[in-house]
Amino acid sequence: NAGVTQTPKFQVLKTGQSMTLQCAQDMNHNSMYWYRQDPGMGLRLIYYSASEGTTDKGEVPNGYNVSRLNKREFSLRLESAAPSQTSVYFCASRLAGVSEQFFGPGTRLTVL
Amino acid sequence: KQEVTQIPAALSVPEGENLVLNCSFTDSAIYNLQWFRQDPGKGLTSLLLIQSSQREQTSGRLNASLDKSSGRSTLYIAASQPGDSATYLCAGGGTSYGKLTFGQGTILTVHP
Repeated sequence: NAGVTQTPKFQVLKTGQSMTLQCAQDMNHNSMYWYRQDPGMGLRLIYYSASEGTTDKGEVPNGYNVSRLNKREFSLRLESAAPSQTSVYFCASRLAGVSEQFFGPGTRLTVL
Repeated sequence: KQEVTQIPAALSVPEGENLVLNCSFTDSAIYNLQWFRQDPGKGLTSLLLIQSSQREQTSGRLNASLDKSSGRSTLYIAASQPGDSATYLCAGGGTSYGKLTFGQGTILTVHP
């Protein structure tokens, strides 16, 4: 049981490049989330998926898109990366009816 | 909009001391309150979850309380150890979708 896994662990992009951050969970959880963590700002919700087939915006969705590929996988895409998107990105999941969220190890992204 | 504040921002204590970390939130219509631990460069580990109908939860040397009327939660750590050194984050859940609003964390250092 791997829990929540994220790939890649580290990534460096140039301004304007695109990339997709992958997240998968093997706990049969219904809800999945993407957060970003920045110094002095704490963790902020980017997008979430309450259940398979649904996605919704969080606090800071601009510049991102998401896809809930199936119940296990929830990806985050940066179409045209900007230096302001340099951050640590965390994926989390939760079983509906049980509120505890479980987090992945994070992806450290630098945009030059 | 829910806002979560953690005080102090940093705390240094000698080994063996009992300590309290504080978390305050602005919206008393909180769905749940979750405490996490984060080690440097790592993801978040869930410590305790308190549902809105509960007043406290305990796990080993940790005890978390929730007082919705005053907008406060506390994390009590008994007999602290150097291995407890980490950043502690609290997060308030505002809806049944599990969206969390995070505080900025308290950096705890326990020195031998």
